Amino acid sequence: NAGVTQTPKFQVLKTGQSMTLQCAQDMNHEYMSWYRQDPGMGLRLIHYSVGAGITDQGEVPNGYNVSRSTTEDFPLRLLSAAPSQTSVYFCASTIGGALGSYNSPLHFGNGTRLTVT
Amino acid sequence: RKEVEQDPGPFNVPEGATVAFNCTYSNSASQSFFWYRQDCRKEPKLLMSVYSSGNEDGRFTAQLNRASQYISLLIRDSKLSDSATYLCVVGYTGGFKTIFGAGTRLFVKA
Repeated sequence: NAGVTQTPKFQVLKTGQSMTLQCAQDMNHEYMSWYRQDPGMGLRLIHYSVGAGITDQGEVPNGYNVSRSTTEDFPLRLLSAAPSQTSVYFCASTIGGALGSYNSPLHFGNGTRLTVT
Repeated sequence: RKEVEQDPGPFNVPEGATVAFNCTYSNSASQSFFWYRQDCRKEPKLLMSVYSSGNEDGRFTAQLNRASQYISLLIRDSKLSDSATYLCVVGYTGGFKTIFGAGTRLFVKA
């Protein structure tokens, strides 16, 4: 059982480049989300989805896009990378869609460490 | 003011000590409460859910005080392997989101 799989584990980008962080889960979870973690600030929600075809913004959505064409996949796109987007990115999922999003524990991927120079 | 606040620590304790972490949250509409553990450069993992009546899991005890909007985690008989960052987490009905505190760092020393 793979759980939540994130790729790549590490990435270095130059300012202005674009890229997609991949996230896939095999637990048939309806709810998926992306967080970024910066020192001293904890995890902050970027975007989330309560089911296929439904996405919404979290606390810090600017500079990021998401889509949810299938239940399994929830890619995060950086449109034009900036040094302020240097961070560790975590994808997470849980059961139950909207209800599960706040009521059930989150399952996290291993994270993607992104550096923008 | 942050929605979920924790003392960042670090807490440095000897093996066998009892240590307590506190967390406050600002939104009275909060519905669910958790403690997660995060090891250095790893993903957060659920330690335990927190229930209104308080709950215990081995050496770990969690308490919730809704009136004071306060959550606590007590670790008894600390082990070296307890060294980690402990994240206080609150779930809200509005916006379908889960908010994380910045974490409290614990070092347990021999």
